[in-house]
Amino acid sequence: NAGVTQTPKFRVLKTGQSMTLLCAQDMNHEYMYWYRQDPGMGLRLIHYSVGEGTTAKGEVPDGYNVSRLKKQNFLLGLESAAPSQTSVYFCASSHRDNYGYTFGSGTRLTVV
Amino acid sequence: KQEVTQIPAALSVPEGENLVLNCSFTDSAIYNLQWFRQDPGKGLTSLLLIQSSQREQTSGRLNASLDKSSGRSTLYIAASQPGDSATYLCAVPRGANNLFFGTGTRLTVIP
Repeated sequence: NAGVTQTPKFRVLKTGQSMTLLCAQDMNHEYMYWYRQDPGMGLRLIHYSVGEGTTAKGEVPDGYNVSRLKKQNFLLGLESAAPSQTSVYFCASSHRDNYGYTFGSGTRLTVV
Repeated sequence: KQEVTQIPAALSVPEGENLVLNCSFTDSAIYNLQWFRQDPGKGLTSLLLIQSSQREQTSGRLNASLDKSSGRSTLYIAASQPGDSATYLCAVPRGANNLFFGTGTRLTVIP
C-alpha cells in the first residue's frame, strides 16, 4: 500500500544515547516533514525538506538533525537523547507545501 | 500570533446523532484549512481541505465549512457511527512548509 512508513514504532533510549528514525514514502512526494506530538501541545514541526538534498529547520529543531539523501527517505537523528525528547514522532509527506499531507503511523520514543 | 483552538476537548454522542466539531483561529490571513482524524496509536489521516476561496467541502458524511471573517471552521458529521470515534484535528498553514495544529477534539460515538 502506498504511504509513509516509519521505523521503528517504539524505542526506549537512555539519556545520552543516539538513534536515527527512518521515514520512507513511495508517493514521489517532494516535501517531507518531521513532527513531534506531545500532550497538550499539539504537533510541532521539527525539520522539513522541500526536495532531495535539502533540509530546513522547523519550530523545534534543537537536539535533532535530519538528512534527505534520497527523495523517498527522510532521516531524523538524535545525537544525544534527553528526557525532554520523549514524545511521539510523526513523519509526513506532501506533493506541495501545505497540501495533501500523508502521515506515517508514528514512533513512540521514551528517553529515560 | 496564530492560535488554533478546538472546543470541546472531548465529546461523547450516541450512534446516529449528527454532530458539529469546532475550530477557531485568531489570524484570518490563511489560504486553507485542513481537518484530520487521528486514531489511537496511529498517524493522522487527512479528511478535508478547504481553500480560502471556498466556504465548504464535503466528503461522504463529512462536511467542513470555513468562515475566515469570524475565524471559524466547523466539521459536521452526519449519522455518526462507532467507527467515527477518533481525535479530530484542524490545522492552518503556518508560514511556508508548516501547519499549525489545534489540540483536537476526542470524539466517542457510543453504540
